[in-house]
Amino acid sequence: QKEVEQDPGPLSVPEGAIVSLNCTYSNSAFQYFMWYRQYSRKGPELLMYTYSSGNKEDGRFTAQVDKSSKYISLFIRDSQPSDSATYLCAMIYTGANSKLTFGKGITLSVRP
Amino acid sequence: DSGVTQTPKHLITATGQRVTLRCSPRSGDLSVYWYQQSLDQGLQFLIQYYNGEERAKGNILERFSAQQFPDLHSELNLSSLELGDSALYFCASSGSRNTDTQYFGPGTRLTVL
Repeated sequence: QKEVEQDPGPLSVPEGAIVSLNCTYSNSAFQYFMWYRQYSRKGPELLMYTYSSGNKEDGRFTAQVDKSSKYISLFIRDSQPSDSATYLCAMIYTGANSKLTFGKGITLSVRP
Repeated sequence: DSGVTQTPKHLITATGQRVTLRCSPRSGDLSVYWYQQSLDQGLQFLIQYYNGEERAKGNILERFSAQQFPDLHSELNLSSLELGDSALYFCASSGSRNTDTQYFGPGTRLTVL
């Protein structure tokens, strides 16, 4: 079992839809959870960063962490064509040799 | 623009060859990370350097090596290249030795023929 599993895609939604992107993980030591957005032919850029369980909101984006279920989500409200990109979840624990572990990513397409 | 620069953007080479990828971190960042991204494996962590010293190691092959220089730029050396090494290679930087917020460069696309 991979440490981080991300829902396979691709995902296509109409403009204005609410999008839900999800990841599960197996390592309970993970403490910090992130979502990166990667546009075609670009490097990943940090979108949301959360610590521990709970919700964090930033504009149209909400990141949710449920450590008891080892499950994280990213919600996008009022999705726009400019949100079309690949979204990668990532997580890390602190400690020796810690490394950022990514999900494989899901490609989202928002249709005008 | 993340402030991380990578050269070259594209690299096409043949099997068995050796290439060097270069990365300049954001101004003031001491940590540099290298990642490989392929369609089947996703984004895989290779290695981290902090202020010139190796800090963490991931799934880096023995044919690959990296270093960070006194001016904090880093190079990733890939040797005895195989077809399967074709991928996007990203460099990222952060301000601390502990991996938290990483800023990614635009990547180098390596094609091995």
